[in-house]
Amino acid sequence: AQSVTQLDSHVSVSEGTPVLLRCNYSSSYSPSLFWYVQHPNKGLQLLLKYTSAATLVKGINGFEAEFKKSETSFHLTKPSAHMSDAAEYFCVPLNQAGTALIFGKGTTLSVSS
Amino acid sequence: DAGVTQSPTHLIKTRGQQVTLRCSPKSGHDTVSWYQQALGQGPQFIFQYYEEEERQRGNFPDRFSGHQFPNYSSELNVNALLLGDSALYLCASSLLSSAYGYTFGSGTRLTVV
Repeated sequence: AQSVTQLDSHVSVSEGTPVLLRCNYSSSYSPSLFWYVQHPNKGLQLLLKYTSAATLVKGINGFEAEFKKSETSFHLTKPSAHMSDAAEYFCVPLNQAGTALIFGKGTTLSVSS
Repeated sequence: DAGVTQSPTHLIKTRGQQVTLRCSPKSGHDTVSWYQQALGQGPQFIFQYYEEEERQRGNFPDRFSGHQFPNYSSELNVNALLLGDSALYLCASSLLSSAYGYTFGSGTRLTVV
């Protein structure tokens, strides 16, 4: 079985400061992990994905995440937040069959000026 | 290159009625998945279609059914609507041979009254 825990339901940052959204995973196999972003009343956009290649994954809009097996973590970071980054973020594993993404509740990121 | 297209964008139905939602996958994709996202929650996997067959199903009752057409487009049907079926319904397309690239549509907002 596989699952993730997003350690913060809500994160608030100021524009221009770093962003850290934390995700721990639990899996009996080597997981495929994704970070998705959802802006209000919008669909989901893929930020980045880990598929057992490089452990440091660079995504769109300046985001990146590092897969740390020893810590079972896949935290999402960005050096400098922008107002447009305010959204809901989901750390999502792919099920072992490769047929379904398993979403939790996500982390709400607020960015203040 | 068009992404995933869903129609309609919004829909209001009465309890007990039936509804059909439609999805056109991203060009080149052959697999379609449907997710239900209740307010304030992460998306939940309904089912996945490939080669016009249901490949896997999540924990949803038989009132939820689907179809995939030869051109890879898909429909989600929900019978005997309940108030609890009110949600954002998201369609995601992918290429079966590459389980790592899910592209989501913007969704259909269904309100059951």
